[in-house]
Amino acid sequence: GQNIDQPTEMTATEGAIVQINCTYQTSGFNGLFWYQQHAGEAPTFLSYNVLDGLEEKGRFSSFLSRSKGYSYLLLKELQMKDSASYLCAFMDSNYQLIWGAGTKLIIKP
Amino acid sequence: ETGVTQTPRHLVMGMTNKKSLKCEQHLGHNAMYWYKQSAKKPLELMFVYNFKEQTENNSVPSRFSPECPNSSHLFLHLHTLQPEDSALYLCASSQGEKVTGELFFGEGSRLTVL
Repeated sequence: GQNIDQPTEMTATEGAIVQINCTYQTSGFNGLFWYQQHAGEAPTFLSYNVLDGLEEKGRFSSFLSRSKGYSYLLLKELQMKDSASYLCAFMDSNYQLIWGAGTKLIIKP
Repeated sequence: ETGVTQTPRHLVMGMTNKKSLKCEQHLGHNAMYWYKQSAKKPLELMFVYNFKEQTENNSVPSRFSPECPNSSHLFLHLHTLQPEDSALYLCASSQGEKVTGELFFGEGSRLTVL
């Protein structure tokens, strides 16, 4: 079967670093996506990983290990505006996106 | 501003009403999607249109009826809904012949069914 899992909620401090994990199980894989969704707003695309390793994009980085069915989103130098939900999704062999329920990230001053 | 506009942003309707949600994308994309987002649940794909042709219907009840008159516009017609249909309905678009995971979402229509 297929499934995907990420923590429901995380709290971090402004200026710090936070890592949001995502684990998945699937027989076919065509990449993993991270989206950011501020409350009341549209989800916006953050990153796409299809090969193992770390992809860095400014303060945000995304990591993938296909053998472990594991990804994380790393946010550095946290700012209050980073308070949002972060959605993890993988694309299966039928090119269907399988979404996690999202991780609500709360940033405290 | 994502280039995808949804109206109305909020809608309250009774179970016997008929209403429609509208989505317009200004990005020149060829594919459009309807998703349902409920609190603390994963996004649920409802319908996919590619070049105005419906390519996906994820076992959605017939009380939801999509319409795609052209590649820029997508509608979701609603009738005799149930209270459990209350959710945020998100429209998205993407570009390319193959399905892509890089979607551009609208801000959603928050639907409440009384």
